[in-house]
Amino acid sequence: GQNIDQPTEMTATEGAIVQINCTYQTSGFNGLFWYQQHAGEAPTFLSYNVLDGLEEKGRFSSFLSRSKGYSYLLLKELQMKDSASYLCAERDSNYQLIWGAGTKLIIKP
Amino acid sequence: ETGVTQTPRHLVMGMTNKKSLKCEQHLGHNAMYWYKQSAKKPLELMFVYNFKEQTENNSVPSRFSPECPNSSHLFLHLHTLQPEDSALYLCASSQEGGGGADTQYFGPGTRLTVL
Repeated sequence: GQNIDQPTEMTATEGAIVQINCTYQTSGFNGLFWYQQHAGEAPTFLSYNVLDGLEEKGRFSSFLSRSKGYSYLLLKELQMKDSASYLCAERDSNYQLIWGAGTKLIIKP
Repeated sequence: ETGVTQTPRHLVMGMTNKKSLKCEQHLGHNAMYWYKQSAKKPLELMFVYNFKEQTENNSVPSRFSPECPNSSHLFLHLHTLQPEDSALYLCASSQEGGGGADTQYFGPGTRLTVL
């Protein structure tokens, strides 16, 4: 199948850390993307993982485990502006992006 | 990235109307995409163009007709749409249309409402 699963909604507190998980079940794998989408705006690229391990970019990090079909996006020192939807997408064996439905992250003061 | 623009940003149309969505990318990319985004659903790929040639049509109904006159411009012509076609239509572009790390950059979308 071609299922990308991620939680529908998460809530976290300003200044805290949150981890958004994504699992994928497609056969063939050519990379995992994370995008951020604020309400009414374009999705914007956050990260790309193709090898196992953690990629860090400032407050945001992305992790991949190919053997487990699992990725997570880690957001540190949360700010109110981080309230957005976070989209996980896997590039499959046909090099097409298969998208999750997105995780809506709500940040509370 | 703000190198992909879309017009109009909002569109309300009746089921018998004909309208067109426009997308322009200023990034020098060679691939362009149309996606449909409905609430709480994954992005649905509709069409892909590589070097102006259509390389993907994901079983999209013929009431949606794409046009790609050059690598910088992409249109989506709409006619006799249904209310269930109401959604956010996103355009994206990428450098090469499919390599592993090839990253797609999105426009802000057109919010379409079909009455």
